Amino acid sequence: AQKITQTQPGMFVQEKEAVTLDCTYDTSDPSYGLFWYKQPSSGEMIFLIYQGSYDQQNATEGRYSLNFQKARKSANLVISASQLGDSAMYFCAMFSYGKLTFGQGTILTVHP
Amino acid sequence: DTAVSQTPKYLVTQMGNDKSIKCEQNLGHDTMYWYKQDSKKFLKIMFSYNNKELIINETVPNRFSPKSPDKAHLNLHINSLELGDSAVYFCASSQAIGQEGTQYFGPGTRLLVL
Repeated sequence: AQKITQTQPGMFVQEKEAVTLDCTYDTSDPSYGLFWYKQPSSGEMIFLIYQGSYDQQNATEGRYSLNFQKARKSANLVISASQLGDSAMYFCAMFSYGKLTFGQGTILTVHP
Repeated sequence: DTAVSQTPKYLVTQMGNDKSIKCEQNLGHDTMYWYKQDSKKFLKIMFSYNNKELIINETVPNRFSPKSPDKAHLNLHINSLELGDSAVYFCASSQAIGQEGTQYFGPGTRLLVL
């Protein structure tokens, strides 16, 4: 069975600093996709970044980058130059065997 | 323009009632989904449809019945509502059904069963 684990219930970061949100996964599917979503307090789910299991390079989208370490089965999200608006819950998710499975989420708080 | 929309946004109802949540996407996607987010923020797939056909039914009680009249719509009907059905229900859609198919979510419907 596939599993996604986010071990950090909450993280704090100073504005303009970088922060890493951890995500580990487990699947026997040789072909899978890894995603990060942001859920602000308003409740919507916002897609941030995608990494395919066969992608050689780490994905980047603006201030977001995904640190993909396949052998360690980790897909950490790095947010550079944090902004107050980055305060939200962040979900790591894995698509394998036909469905998207979510981690427990990490609440990120950005301090001014 | 809203990509994935859901109505209603809030739904408060009594136990035992039947209710429906509507979802529409204007992205031209082939695949649509329903997710449930519980009070602990845990998100879990309920159903997925591809081209109006059911692909995934994730051991959801048969009180929940999805209906896809066309590729752009996936509605969720819930019979005999129970207290445990209180949650946020998200609709999502993707162009592809595989791992490359990024899923885009609607704003969510907050259901409270009293």
